[in-house]
Amino acid sequence: DIQMTQSPASLSASLEEIVTITCQASQDIGNYLSWYQQKPGKSPQLLIHSATSLADGVPSRFSGSRSGTQYSLKINRLQVEDTGIYYCLQHYSAPYTFGAGTKLELK
Amino acid sequence: QVQLQQSGAELAKPGSSVKISCKASGYTFTSYAMHWIKQTTGQALEWTGYIAPGSGGTKYNEKFKGKATLTVDKSSSTAYMQLSSLTPVDTAVYYCASGSSFAYWGQGTLVTVSS
Repeated sequence: DIQMTQSPASLSASLEEIVTITCQASQDIGNYLSWYQQKPGKSPQLLIHSATSLADGVPSRFSGSRSGTQYSLKINRLQVEDTGIYYCLQHYSAPYTFGAGTKLELK
Repeated sequence: QVQLQQSGAELAKPGSSVKISCKASGYTFTSYAMHWIKQTTGQALEWTGYIAPGSGGTKYNEKFKGKATLTVDKSSSTAYMQLSSLTPVDTAVYYCASGSSFAYWGQGTLVTVSS
């Protein structure tokens, strides 16, 4: 199985700060990597697909990048509504696997 | 707009089975695989498997083989997941998800296994 190592597990940041979350894949997954945001009691919402493409309706302060098997989600100018838990997902090879999540809070 | 409407919460006894549903609307049901994802209270997400609604073909996470059975009813654009031989470890929220890159998610169904 492909392991997705996500870091950090939790993060406290200030308004307007730049935040970066990473996922390291245990093997090549190409661009089959998506990022999701989950709010308490809600289902995950797609933010980034194909490693770098912004999903419909997602603010442009969110962006995704890839360097080899390391994938990053960047949030420019953190807003109050960006708090929640963020997950990466590889859907290159079954069983598809998620990162363990990053809990993002406001400082 | 695309909607995935899941059935309500279930309370089940150990050893029993439950069948939860996911009704799709707003897109052609057979266009995308329907995935099922388990989320425990620790918030970890696990992919259990998918079904291709057009063919009925399935792919399971080995960990859930024998536990989960995926089916569809094309006439009603509804996908189902049956969980059998339930134990407390199966207590979780189960989501259905579809679309390219899991773009669309249901609201989740809480399954509680308790005697």
